[in-house]
Amino acid sequence: EAQVTQNPRYLITVTGKKLTVTCSQNMNHEYMSWYRQDPGLGLRQIYYSMNVEVTDKGDVPEGYKVSRKEKRNFPLILESPSPNQTSLYFCASSLLAGKHEQFFGPGTRLTVL
Amino acid sequence: GIQVEQSPPDLILQEGANSTLRCNFSDSVNNLQWFHQNPWGQLINLFYIPSGTKQNGRLSATTVATERYSLLYISSSQTTDSGVYFCAVDEASGSARQLTFGSGTQLTVLP
Repeated sequence: EAQVTQNPRYLITVTGKKLTVTCSQNMNHEYMSWYRQDPGLGLRQIYYSMNVEVTDKGDVPEGYKVSRKEKRNFPLILESPSPNQTSLYFCASSLLAGKHEQFFGPGTRLTVL
Repeated sequence: GIQVEQSPPDLILQEGANSTLRCNFSDSVNNLQWFHQNPWGQLINLFYIPSGTKQNGRLSATTVATERYSLLYISSSQTTDSGVYFCAVDEASGSARQLTFGSGTQLTVLP
């Protein structure tokens, strides 16, 4: 089944404890992206990747890192999480950026205490 | 950047009723998608519809790209249709980096 998977789906952690949210797609998509969703602020892009080893900042990249070493994986890294990073996170992918449908993962609910 | 406005912001229906959700956007787009966010937070792809009309069961969508709007029709609504409906666009003149989401329509279908 063609899909985007994220892990973990739920995570409660404490300030400063490094964490990684994994994202994987099995559709051979070149474009991948991370969004966060917050009440009143909607969905905002954190980082995106046009292809392997090509990443760039979205609208809200502060406090996050990403890497794209393989086409299928695009992990989101929080080196030192803070409470303002408590959010619902989505990974997305599409064949190419632009004129192609984007597919979203199931979301990761992160709480930073 | 492109602006995306959805209306109405909230909609309450009785089961079995029909509804129309609207999405206006301020510039030309490469991509327009409709999503349903269910009560568990998952974003479900409904339609990829940068132009034209598509139907999928009780749902259909029409995008008139030249007039910069899209409509989502829900017929014979069911309680499971409840949730937030988002329109999202990819700006044609931009670097095609991201989807810009509207603020959503919160739909509640009462039994």
